[in-house]
Amino acid sequence: DTAVSQTPKYLVTQMGNDKSIKCEQNLGHDTMYWYKQDSKKFLKIMFSYNNKELIINETVPNRFSPKSPDKAHLNLHINSLELGDSAVYFCASSQGAPGVGTDTQYFGPGTRLTVL
Amino acid sequence: GNSVTQMEGPVTLSEEAFLTINCTYTATGYPSLFWYVQYPGEGLQLLLKATKADDKGSNKGFEATYRKETTSFHLEKGSVQVSDSAVYFCALHNNDMRFGAGTRLTVKP
Repeated sequence: DTAVSQTPKYLVTQMGNDKSIKCEQNLGHDTMYWYKQDSKKFLKIMFSYNNKELIINETVPNRFSPKSPDKAHLNLHINSLELGDSAVYFCASSQGAPGVGTDTQYFGPGTRLTVL
Repeated sequence: GNSVTQMEGPVTLSEEAFLTINCTYTATGYPSLFWYVQYPGEGLQLLLKATKADDKGSNKGFEATYRKETTSFHLEKGSVQVSDSAVYFCALHNNDMRFGAGTRLTVKP
């Protein structure tokens, strides 16, 4: 059973389009995250949700909008896609709220987004 | 603020060589420290962690010791294998998770 799953695995689209990436975790965790990994492998947190509430919202363009319909799902919607949005996006989850220092984060396999 | 600095790669070693990947951190208080590994085409996986000073995390032959006096958490392995080829991320958790830039390790037969 996959612990943290993301769909799609690959996404190729044109500039200006709107797209969504879905994430689901079956670990019963309370907190979910979205990270962006650039071509140099630098990993940057974008958002964090705890029990469907936004906890961390780093400085990302407001074209990015996370949505958490329930605590097992955290989807990422991106409007008006730009070339610079090309990256691998990782979803992750952890048991407790952000701030629980010993909490391990479990990562999904990633979604490679390519904007043409 | 909280930050992690790890040695820049790439690192290329021969099989059975000794590995050290340096990691230092800046944080207030007492963060927890982690090493994550990312194999090609996959997401990050926890490799090991340490939650307080002088703790040693270990897994799959890898070790790292939480050194508060030097604010370091260097990753070591005595004898690397080809299958260890991956990108390694040092991270700290102190209210939120901060990752280092990643170090790519390639092990050649």
